[in-house]
Amino acid sequence: QKEVEQDPGPLSVPEGAIVSLNCTYSNSAFQYFMWYRQYSRKGPELLMYTYSSGNKEDGRFTAQVDKSSKYISLFIRDSQPSDSATYLCAMSAQSSASKIIFGSGTRLSIRP
Amino acid sequence: GAGVSQSPSNKVTEKGKDVELRCDPISGHTALYWYRQSLGQGLEFLIYFQGNSAPDKSGLPSDRFSAERTGGSVSTLTIQRTQQEDSAVYLCASSFRLRPYEQYFGPGTRLTVT
Repeated sequence: QKEVEQDPGPLSVPEGAIVSLNCTYSNSAFQYFMWYRQYSRKGPELLMYTYSSGNKEDGRFTAQVDKSSKYISLFIRDSQPSDSATYLCAMSAQSSASKIIFGSGTRLSIRP
Repeated sequence: GAGVSQSPSNKVTEKGKDVELRCDPISGHTALYWYRQSLGQGLEFLIYFQGNSAPDKSGLPSDRFSAERTGGSVSTLTIQRTQQEDSAVYLCASSFRLRPYEQYFGPGTRLTVT
């Protein structure tokens, strides 16, 4: 079993819809939770990070962490065609914060 | 300011040849990471450098892979006697020491072994 599981998609939604992207994990020691966006043939770009549990909002993006369920989510409101990309969740433990474990990514397409 | 740069952007090599991939991190970032991304897969950690400390090489898949970081800045990842399964995108990232969760990635080097 992988430490981090992420549905590869592809996920296709119409412009303006709310998008929900999710990851599950098995290591209860994970404390840092990140979401990266990766456009085709580009390097990943950090969108948001959260420490421990709770929600974090940044513009149209909201990250949620539920440590009791070992489940994290990224919500995108008012989705735009420019949001079409692969979204990677990532996480690490306090004791080894430099050892980031990435999900395999969810490919998202926003239809105009 | 300038982001993380990598060179070459693409590299095609014959099986058995050695290749060198270069990463130039963001100025001031003391931590540098190498990852490998195979088609449709997540990022696989390879190696981590922090300042003058001994690197964390725990992710290197075989002894054909090695990396060095000179002067605490530029890093080179070397793959000896390349195999077809080495074909992937090799990504470099850098961060401040105390913020490893905020990594900034370069555009990657796409390696194809024929």
